[in-house]
Amino acid sequence: DTEVTQTPKHLVMGMTNKKSLKCEQHMGHRAMYWYKQKAKKPPELMFVYSYEKLSINESVPSRFSPECPNSSLLNLHLHALQPEDSALYLCASSQVGTPETQYFGPGTRLLVL
Amino acid sequence: GIQVEQSPPDLILQEGANSTLRCNFSDSVNNLQWFHQNPWGQLINLFYIPSGTKQNGRLSATTVATERYSLLYISSSQTTDSGVYFCAVSRYDYKLSFGAGTTVTVRA
Repeated sequence: DTEVTQTPKHLVMGMTNKKSLKCEQHMGHRAMYWYKQKAKKPPELMFVYSYEKLSINESVPSRFSPECPNSSLLNLHLHALQPEDSALYLCASSQVGTPETQYFGPGTRLLVL
Repeated sequence: GIQVEQSPPDLILQEGANSTLRCNFSDSVNNLQWFHQNPWGQLINLFYIPSGTKQNGRLSATTVATERYSLLYISSSQTTDSGVYFCAVSRYDYKLSFGAGTTVTVRA
């Protein structure tokens, strides 16, 4: 089963709200990723977790806070976002090691008002 | 970082036509993936192909690593093939560098 799930599918939030995006995989993968994709642009890497530890942070603003509570789950906590943070947020997972195929979830469409 | 260029940027096809998408990359890589992003945003893995040739139904891909390019072939296109096709590469790390994509529109 090569499935990564993400919730919610859509999210509208105000600039003062706190919300969380969730990602889950049951493929036994130990590397998980958050990407951000703006309209008509390719995905851009935000964070990488390897064995539940943050291994890459692509200089993402602190209003985005990732968390990997266990090997199957990845969260992205959102606080005090700006309208320009509106985008499609994609989660992916892979086996640890390079190279490995990354498998993507369906994404969460975020609108910040 | 590795630069990835995809061509053409846009492609309009009549149903049943064949097409070739190209991906050039600026450095040697050990990971190359082709994805199809459907209109709902889902990125679907098509091929993991850092070198060689693979086929999956009406789709096939070839990567010539020594010349730093990869080709994706779509044969007998269908309307469900519409969407954006991305090439993504990495070199000994987790960071996939994506090209800008080719937007394919297949008309019935």
